[in-house]
Amino acid sequence: GQNIDQPTEMTATEGAIVQINCTYQTSGFNGLFWYQQHAGEAPTFLSYNVLDGLEEKGRFSSFLSRSKGYSYLLLKELQMKDSASYLCAFQDSNYQLIWGAGTKLIIKP
Amino acid sequence: GAVVSQHPSRVICKSGTSVKIECRSLDFQATTMFWYRQFPKQSLMLMATSNEGSKATYEQGVEKDKFLINHASLTLSTLTVTSAHPEDSSFYICSARKGDYGYTFGSGTRLTVV
Repeated sequence: GQNIDQPTEMTATEGAIVQINCTYQTSGFNGLFWYQQHAGEAPTFLSYNVLDGLEEKGRFSSFLSRSKGYSYLLLKELQMKDSASYLCAFQDSNYQLIWGAGTKLIIKP
Repeated sequence: GAVVSQHPSRVICKSGTSVKIECRSLDFQATTMFWYRQFPKQSLMLMATSNEGSKATYEQGVEKDKFLINHASLTLSTLTVTSAHPEDSSFYICSARKGDYGYTFGSGTRLTVV
């Protein structure tokens, strides 16, 4: 079967670093996405990993280990505007997205 | 770029009426578009996949006669919620795929049925 799991909620302090983990199980895999979604808005693309390793993009980085079925999103120098839900999703063998339930990130001053 | 325009952004309708939501890919041709529904504090739930020129593929539990999807051109897909009821109130989002892995989302439609 297929499943994907991420923590429901995390809290971090402004200026700090936070890592949001995502684990998945699937027989067919064609990459993993991270999206940011502010309340009441549509998701916006953050990253896409299809090969193992770390992809860095400014304050955000995403890591993938296909053998472990594991990914994380790393947010550095946290800002209050980073308070949002972070959704991970993998693409299965049919290129259909399987979504996690999202991690609500709360940033405190 | 890959821009998807969705409208209306908000709509309030009376119970029993129908509402049409449009999703357009502005700068690329979208052979496949996805329609999602999202209830408060929940993740995206895929409703259906629409392919240009063919019938949409609905996910289990989604009534195809209630949620009519039309993908008549490579740049336009529409979702019509027929005979809407208060339980249909939700956030509806379309997404289009550019190439094998590029997904772009519309801005979403907040539907409230009163």
